[in-house]
Amino acid sequence: DQQVKQNSPSLSVQEGRISILNCDYTNSMFDYFLWYKKYPAEGPTFLISISSIKDKNEDGRFTVFLNKSAKHLSLHIVPSQPGDSAVYFCAASARPNNNDMRFGAGTRLTVKP
Amino acid sequence: GAGVSQSPSNKVTEKGKDVELRCDPISGHTALYWYRQRLGQGLEFLIYFQGNSAPDKSGLPSDRFSAERTGESVSTLTIQRTQQEDSAVYLCASSPAGTGEQYFGPGTRLTVT
Repeated sequence: DQQVKQNSPSLSVQEGRISILNCDYTNSMFDYFLWYKKYPAEGPTFLISISSIKDKNEDGRFTVFLNKSAKHLSLHIVPSQPGDSAVYFCAASARPNNNDMRFGAGTRLTVKP
Repeated sequence: GAGVSQSPSNKVTEKGKDVELRCDPISGHTALYWYRQRLGQGLEFLIYFQGNSAPDKSGLPSDRFSAERTGESVSTLTIQRTQQEDSAVYLCASSPAGTGEQYFGPGTRLTVT
């Protein structure tokens, strides 16, 4: 039962351009969303989060947009840098039960110099 | 400060043998999670420990899987009578109380031959 879906397994972007990673969810109870970034041979690291009371959260080059009616969120990276090349996981949970966090399958981003 | 550590980093075992995976969480983190990531798939929740509360074992795939945690420190995940479908990267994460952000270890890659 894949409650969090990342339908694009990979994405390739030119350095300096915008990267847009998409995530869809099915559980309307989810109200807290996170993006994690994973380099090879390392565990995922937290990148940015958004609560359902917001539709946008920005942190430097990273912005997460949430469309609750569409059950869709996206991560925008602008400008993209080669060091952004990694696998990005979308995750969702329903507070207060944050222990039941569901992850998507990940999208591998490659930023070409 | 030290992050989450896991050992071993790689484990190759024969089908039918038992394996034990170890996780050292960040000091002071009350919550500890185990996840499994099979090839090409997202992170699959296995078990969650929070302080002295009873662990949430709802994600364990079978009774061959068990986990223990000593207080708010080390956790071990044990897989008995390993099967080839147990081959995956097993990730441990810890989290401070009251937050949704998890800090992941580098994972243990388990290969069952």
